[in-house]
Amino acid sequence: EAGVAQSPRYKIIEKRQSVAFWCNPISGHATLYWYQQILGQGPKLLIQFQNNGVVDDSQLPKDRFSAERLKGVDSTLKIQPAKLEDSAVYLCASSSKTARYYEQYFGPGTRLTVT
Amino acid sequence: AQSVAQPEDQVNVAEGNPLTVKCTYSVSGNPYLFWYVQYPNRGLQFLLKYITGDNLVKGSYGFEAEFNKSQTSFHLKKPSALVSDSALYFCAVRDMEGPGRLYFGRGTQLTVWP
Repeated sequence: EAGVAQSPRYKIIEKRQSVAFWCNPISGHATLYWYQQILGQGPKLLIQFQNNGVVDDSQLPKDRFSAERLKGVDSTLKIQPAKLEDSAVYLCASSSKTARYYEQYFGPGTRLTVT
Repeated sequence: AQSVAQPEDQVNVAEGNPLTVKCTYSVSGNPYLFWYVQYPNRGLQFLLKYITGDNLVKGSYGFEAEFNKSQTSFHLKKPSALVSDSALYFCAVRDMEGPGRLYFGRGTQLTVWP
């Protein structure tokens, strides 16, 4: 089966610009996650969707970050405006059924550099 | 609050020797624990999980992990390391309240030299 797809793989922008990342989860996976992985740290959850509804966005900086999953399949994460500290790898993951008991499958990530 | 600690930033081991990557956790209630591996320029890949039952969990690529409730540890092990095992390893614990967020450790870089 196809894995989690993400694009672009790399992005370089200047601070105060905007950027968007796209994710297509594994077919049939109802739960979709966006993580931020800063160099030298483990991934940190930004937002979790169950189908097209948000179930956890408590760690999403809502003044600049937004995400949507309109049809319950693919998702977009946006940053506007970007700051230097947003430089990180943004990982998308998906899981089937109930998130608690099932492992998450990760995409290759988008490496964002903000200059 | 849930948390995971990986006390070693780096682990170096010779090929053919046993390896251990350490992880300790802090949770309220019963822990759900996971190990993931990350190869360069790739996403995290699931290795194994502990939910309940036998304290020794077997996973992919010959890896196993030992759950120790009294020591709140979940160390990753492999009897005989391969050069291809060189990667970044993450331990994670699941938050059992709410939607079940995963909390990751900082990661341990494993290097297996020939």
